[in-house]
Amino acid sequence: DTEVTQTPKHLVMGMTNKKSLKCEQHMGHRAMYWYKQKAKKPPELMFVYSYEKLSINESVPSRFSPECPNSSLLNLHLHALQPEDSALYLCASSQERSDLLYGYTFGSGTRLTVV
Amino acid sequence: SQQGEEDPQALSIQEGENATMNCSYKTSINNLQWYRQNSGRGLVHLILIRSNEREKHSGRLRVTLDTSKKSSSLLITASRAADTASYFCATNSNYQLIWGAGTKLIIKP
Repeated sequence: DTEVTQTPKHLVMGMTNKKSLKCEQHMGHRAMYWYKQKAKKPPELMFVYSYEKLSINESVPSRFSPECPNSSLLNLHLHALQPEDSALYLCASSQERSDLLYGYTFGSGTRLTVV
Repeated sequence: SQQGEEDPQALSIQEGENATMNCSYKTSINNLQWYRQNSGRGLVHLILIRSNEREKHSGRLRVTLDTSKKSSSLLITASRAADTASYFCATNSNYQLIWGAGTKLIIKP
């Protein structure tokens, strides 16, 4: 299995809703990432997990809450989002956070719309 | 993260022609990577070149790296309609990826 699987593919939520994005990989990668991408822009790093521990939080608002239940799963819990949080949310993984030999494997993303 | 720069921002060529995209960066790097993104989808890793390498090939892709000029180029030969996508370079510096702004490539049939 050489894929990162993200669910759902599309999500529309109200500003008072609570929802979660899910990401799964079975490649044995020990680093996992959440990115946010706005249209026509490069991805912006949100969080990095290394060996299931949060190692980087790029000053993301607390309405985004990451969780890494095990080495294969990564969740992003959403609460009280704003319309400007509408974006494509991408999950990625790599063998190690300090991986210098291989690139990242990305999921297809969750297209989030906040209404 | 501070962005690298890519040029051109957009490139439109005829099918069968070669496409060249350039990437410049500002800090020392461990490696430089190129990714492709089809409209609204995830990024696909294309090729990685390490800081001690100058050129690398993968199928129709050729990547060069000039660390003295802090620049890289991606050449796609014999372009196909399926190559239509956005292409991003990303430098691995201090174990984080710093992304370029991207080049939108359109292949006309």
